[in-house]
Amino acid sequence: DTAVSQTPKYLVTQMGNDKSIKCEQNLGHDTMYWYKQDSKKFLKIMFSYNNKELIINETVPNRFSPKSPDKAHLNLHINSLELGDSAVYFCASCMRSGNTIYFGEGSWLTVV
Amino acid sequence: QQQVKQSPQSLIVQKGGISIINCAYENTAFDYFPWYQQFPGKGPALLIAIRPDVSEKKEGRFTISFNKSAKQFSLHIMDSQPGDSATYFCAPNSGGYQKVTFGTGTKLQVIP
Repeated sequence: DTAVSQTPKYLVTQMGNDKSIKCEQNLGHDTMYWYKQDSKKFLKIMFSYNNKELIINETVPNRFSPKSPDKAHLNLHINSLELGDSAVYFCASCMRSGNTIYFGEGSWLTVV
Repeated sequence: QQQVKQSPQSLIVQKGGISIINCAYENTAFDYFPWYQQFPGKGPALLIAIRPDVSEKKEGRFTISFNKSAKQFSLHIMDSQPGDSATYFCAPNSGGYQKVTFGTGTKLQVIP
């Protein structure tokens, strides 16, 4: 019973396409994140939502648009994909009152 | 800008040896000092964490040492095993839904 699940796990797409990654958590957390991990393994926060409200929006191109329909779901839509968008995207969650971040298994995006 | 500096970038240790990874931070408001472990193809997961009211915490072969005055904490893996081969991240924070900055990661390889 996966705590933070994201789909798809692997995504290969052409430049210029639009794609979405979906995330769901069943931990009852009120805060969800999108992190990007590049080829050097650097983990960088992209967005954070608390109870469907955008809290953190790092310097991310506006081709990236997160959407949180409810506090258990956080999706990421990417328009006009570029080669540099190739990375692993991690969804994560935590409680606002907590410290531990729980990660999904990642979505491997390859733009060709 | 929160600064978190992690070292070394990579580490090769013989089986049975001690692995030591260090993390230095600047923000004195941090009150939670975790280490995350990431295996290939998986998301990071909490390994061990410490609060600033103690200087050391041990869980099995894993120990965190915390030096508040130096604003540093380290992860010690005793009797390192090949199964410990992973990437390790520190992520000091003060909870809530603040932006959590992860260290740059340390790739540990334990060789038989």
